[in-house]
Amino acid sequence: DVKVTQSSRYLVKRTGEKVFLECVQDMDHENMFWYRQDPGLGLRLIYFSYDVKMKEKGDIPEGYSVSREKKERFSLILESASTNQTSMYLCASSLWGASSYEQYFGPGTRLTVT
Amino acid sequence: KQEVTQIPAALSVPEGENLVLNCSFTDSAIYNLQWFRQDPGKGLTSLLLIQSSQREQTSGRLNASLDKSSGRSTLYIAASQPGDSATYLCVAYNAGNMLTFGGGTRLMVKP
Repeated sequence: DVKVTQSSRYLVKRTGEKVFLECVQDMDHENMFWYRQDPGLGLRLIYFSYDVKMKEKGDIPEGYSVSREKKERFSLILESASTNQTSMYLCASSLWGASSYEQYFGPGTRLTVT
Repeated sequence: KQEVTQIPAALSVPEGENLVLNCSFTDSAIYNLQWFRQDPGKGLTSLLLIQSSQREQTSGRLNASLDKSSGRSTLYIAASQPGDSATYLCVAYNAGNMLTFGGGTRLMVKP
């Protein structure tokens, strides 16, 4: 079974703090993704990565950065957290290829920025 | 750009009813169509994934169909139970492994 884990289920941070959200997958997947989910806006793609040290911007990258130093780990970084980054963050992973492979999602991290 | 719409946005039914959730998408060039369940405050639980070459998938009381030509998918839930109460998300897989999510249908099954 594919397993995608996220470092925290719940996180509370203060405005201006640097925040790290970690995601780890155990299936040797090339692709990894970070989404955020907000009421009325659905799930939106922040960043994705198709290989170690590679990253691509998604639909809403502003205010975020990512790091992929190892294949199994994809980190989302909020350089200076703001209240509008309060959200549910979901990580996913998939195989890479010409087709479009199933994405497997982690349990989510609910981040509150006060 | 792909758009995915789910109707209705919310649905309340008595226990035991069979029900259908609808999903429509604008670009028929999809690779997969997937249905997820999401409980309040929780992550996504995959229910069924239909590949573009398939017409339907079944798992227990759930049946999902896909009609690419009309841009529609339906999720059929038989003999609904209170434990089925959740938000159901439809997701289209586009080229480059990009996903487009529908807005969800919030289902309430009353005992």
